[in-house]
Amino acid sequence: SAVISQKPSRDICQRGTSLTIQCQVDSQVTMMFWYRQQPGQSLTLIATANQGSEATYESGFVIDKFPISRPNLTFSTLTVSNMSPEDSSIYLCSVEQGQGPYNEQFFGPGTRLTVL
Amino acid sequence: AQKITQTQPGMFVQEKEAVTLDCTYDTSDQSYGLFWYKQPSSGEMIFLIYQGSYDEQNATEGRYSLNFQKARKSANLVISASQLGDSAMYFCAMREALRRDTDKLIFGTGTRLQVFP
Repeated sequence: SAVISQKPSRDICQRGTSLTIQCQVDSQVTMMFWYRQQPGQSLTLIATANQGSEATYESGFVIDKFPISRPNLTFSTLTVSNMSPEDSSIYLCSVEQGQGPYNEQFFGPGTRLTVL
Repeated sequence: AQKITQTQPGMFVQEKEAVTLDCTYDTSDQSYGLFWYKQPSSGEMIFLIYQGSYDEQNATEGRYSLNFQKARKSANLVISASQLGDSAMYFCAMREALRRDTDKLIFGTGTRLQVFP
């Protein structure tokens, strides 16, 4: 299975600032996904990131608020911009591995963000 | 409409006993996948088990098995011989087609399992 690391593992930030979260995978993957998990809630997909193309955002998420980079097949960043306390969440990156319709999906350890 | 339903917000089980965590799903796709993840208090999402819609046999991975009942659209997770380290949140998820070249996981609301000695 893919080994995924994220930096930072946690952070406490002030309202109005921005934080960039890094996701590194130990193998080349086509698709990378960014999820948000608000306190006590389930996971919600923010966007899907393909290498070499613009990220595709889910309803309720916009590029200005959550810009994503995907410079190569093993790395991606998610920026949480102009943060407010409502952005306090765990942010997880995820990758698919496998062939055909039965791809397994693995997650990084998450970044726990608290906005004051 | 909710795609993945986990009706048990919390479950308790005694160590060494078996426990079943419920999951029902809703999809019109013929080809789909069902996943279970464990999330301990540290926050990481640990992949446990996968079941494809065309798989005829129930998936098993060590102490985990998936009771797949396609006609009832249920995919319950069975944990045998529970251990204290099994205490965590458990999420059921389904992959359905989003676009031709990708798909996404849809998660249930989770079940918090507590194992007591």
